[in-house]
Parts: sequence; C-alpha cells; structure tokens
Amino acid sequence: EIVLTQSPATLSLSPGERVTLSCRASQSIDKYLAWYQQKPGLAPRLLIYDASNRAAGVSARFSGSGSGTDFTLTISTLEPEDFAVYYCQQRGNWPPITFGQGTRLEIK
Amino acid sequence: EVQLLESGGGLVQPGGSLRLSCATSGFTFSSYAMIWVRQAPGKGLEWVSTISASAGSKYYADSVKGRFTISRDNSRSTLFLQMDSLRAEDTAVFYCAKGSVSTWAILDFWGQGTLVTVSS
Repeated sequence: EIVLTQSPATLSLSPGERVTLSCRASQSIDKYLAWYQQKPGLAPRLLIYDASNRAAGVSARFSGSGSGTDFTLTISTLEPEDFAVYYCQQRGNWPPITFGQGTRLEIK
Repeated sequence: EVQLLESGGGLVQPGGSLRLSCATSGFTFSSYAMIWVRQAPGKGLEWVSTISASAGSKYYADSVKGRFTISRDNSRSTLFLQMDSLRAEDTAVFYCAKGSVSTWAILDFWGQGTLVTVSS
C-alpha cells in the first residue's frame, strides 16, 4: 500500500499570501496524484488531478506539480474561501486508493 | 448538474447491519465507476470500495473486506453499500463519489455524506 505524507499538518497564513503544500508518496506513483479541498461540514471537492490538471471550474490560482514521489499544490494568492483542509490522493497503484492525512490551512 | 444524495445512515449497535444508498442524477450513471469513501469524526479520508460501471468489478479496503458489499442498480441510477458486522471503528460520515470519465480512481463529484454511528 502506498502511503502519502502531507506537510505541514497545519499552516497559518493571511489572505493575499502565496502557499505551497507538499505531498510525498512512499513509492513512485508517476503523475497519478490528485488534490481535494474540504471545508468544514462539506464534502471534499476535486481541485487537481494527474498532478497538474485543474478540475472543471477550479480557479487558476490553484496549480499542481510533481511526479514520482514528490508533489506540490500551490495557491498563488490566498482568498478567504481558500482556508480549508487539503488532501492528496494517489491512483498510481490501486487498490487501495489512498489519501494523505491532510493539511489544514488556517487564517493567521 | 451532477447530484449525489446519500441516505440510510444512523445509529446501529455493534454487530448490526445498515444499508446505505446514493441516489444520483445529472449524468449517465451506467457509464461511470462509483466509489464509497468514509471519514471518521475529526479524521481524514479513507477509501472504502469501488464498483465498475457494469458492476463486473468490485474492490474493497482491507478494513471492510468480507463485511461490506458494494452494489448498484443502473436502472435506478443508485449506488448501495451493505454494511454487516459493524464495529465501533466504522463510525464515520460515508460519502459516495463518482469516478471520472478517464479513470475509476479520480473522484470528480461527491455527495454530502451520511453519518453512521456504531455504538451500544
């Protein structure tokens, strides 16, 4: 089973700042990583798939990069609605589909 | 507009059973793989099960294998999860999700979730 490790666990930032979240896989998953955003009390929402492809309707301020074992999600300019928990998920070697433990992005 | 609506959650005693449903609309249900994901209170996301569009292939997490059964009714655009021998550690919000057009393992739309509580 591929283990995904996200860092940091929590980030405290202000609107307008740039942020980069990290996700590391325990073995190579090529480009097969997705990112989801989850706000309190709501279902997750797909942001990025296959490392760098934005899902339909996702703002261009979200971008993803990486391959192999190291991946990043960058939010170019934080908006108030971006403060949420972000999960990475791999499909490079499934089943099982696995998720990272999440990074909480909170307002400073 | 794609919509997924879970139901069937509730309080059940350890060892009991529950059947979750996920009613869908806004897409051709019979063409897409469907997935169940759960989230224990205050915890992260855990994949539970995936079923192919035709129901010919089914996959389960080791934690639920032999206890949970995924199924679908393409004539009713509905996904199911039969959960037997429930344990306290199964307590979670259960989400159904739709697989993307290109692969079963990208979850492009999610329902709002249904809470399952296993407790005596």
